[in-house]
Parts: sequence; C-alpha cells; structure tokens
Amino acid sequence: DGGITQSPKYLFRKEGQNVTLSCEQNLNHDAMYWYRQDPGQGLRLIYYSQIVNDFQKGDIAEGYSVSREKKESFPLTVTSAQKNPTAFYLCASSIVWTGDNQPQHFGDGTRLSIL
Amino acid sequence: KQEVTQIPAALSVPEGENLVLNCSFTDSAIYNLQWFRQDPGKGLTSLLLIQSSQREQTSGRLNASLDKSSGRSTLYIAASQPGDSATYLCAVMDSNYQLIWGAGTKLIIKP
Repeated sequence: DGGITQSPKYLFRKEGQNVTLSCEQNLNHDAMYWYRQDPGQGLRLIYYSQIVNDFQKGDIAEGYSVSREKKESFPLTVTSAQKNPTAFYLCASSIVWTGDNQPQHFGDGTRLSIL
Repeated sequence: KQEVTQIPAALSVPEGENLVLNCSFTDSAIYNLQWFRQDPGKGLTSLLLIQSSQREQTSGRLNASLDKSSGRSTLYIAASQPGDSATYLCAVMDSNYQLIWGAGTKLIIKP
C-alpha cells in the first residue's frame, strides 16, 4: 500500500544534540512538507519542498534543517539551536505543490521530547 | 494574514445525534478548504476537500459546506457513532498554496 512512513515514533533529545526525523513516501508525490503540532494550536509549517533538490522555509524554520536528495525522502533535522523542540512532528506529501485541489497525505508522526 | 478558528474546542454528544462542527477564516481569497480527522497520537486523514468554486461536498455521513463570503465552513456528521470520536481539523489553502490550520475540535461520542 502506498503511504508515508515516519520514524521513529518517539524520539528523545539531549541538550546540545541534533536529531533527525525520517520521512519516506512511496506515493510518487512531488511535494513534501514538515509540520509541527503543539497542544491547542493549529499545525505550523516548518519547511516544504516542491520538487527534489529544492526546499523552502515555512513559518517556523529557525532551528530546523532539511534535505531533499531523493523524491521519496525528506528528512528533518532538529538542531541544538531549536530551544523548544518538544512537539509532535508531522510529515505530509501532495501530488504537486499547488495542491491541484488534491489533499495532503500524512504520516503517523514523531513525538520528540527533551531528556 | 489568514487566520482559521474552530469553535468549540471540544464537544461531547450522545451516540446517534446529528452534529455540526464550525470553522471560520478571515480572508476569503482561498483555493480550497479541507477537513481532516486526527486520532490520538496519529497523523491526519483527509475527509473532504471543497474547492473555492463549490458550496459543499459529501462523503457518506459527512457533509461539508463552504460560504466564502462570510468566511465560514461547517462539517455536518449524521447519526454519530463512537468511532467518530477524534479531533477534527479544518485548513484553508491560501493564495500562496499554503495550508493555514485551525486548532481543531475534539469530538467525543458517548455510547
């Protein structure tokens, strides 16, 4: 079955440490997204990629980095510069960046906590 | 700046009731409005997408409406079931093709 796989499901970060969240899709979608979800708030866009080898900052990119070397993969690194990283991180994809009136598809998320 | 609001934040109703969830947005310049469902600790599942030129969409017991001029959408759930318990989120696609999200309504259906 086609879908989006995020790993790990739970992740713990020590102070000063960088951690990387994995996102893989086999939907053949061009566009991929990373969102952060905090309790009581809407999803906020961290980074997005319209096509392989390209990515753009979203509303809250500070303290995060991404790469898009393969169409299927869009890993997110939470760096030590992100002072409040505890959150639920969601990866999504869509057929094309403009959406073409097709919904985004989501993975099951990674919950990141601070040790 | 587009803002999306969902009221109430939580709702509890007995099984079998029909119910309406509300979503409002501040800027009518949208490409579409989307409703999603999120189960605890899980990702989001798309329920309905209404294009800006449409007034409503239906899928099974779900019906979503869109009134761009007033900046409102409703999600109607008929004959609610315990399995409908989840958080329901709405999002609008703005003129930059970005989704702007509401904080969601947590729905509990009591058996």
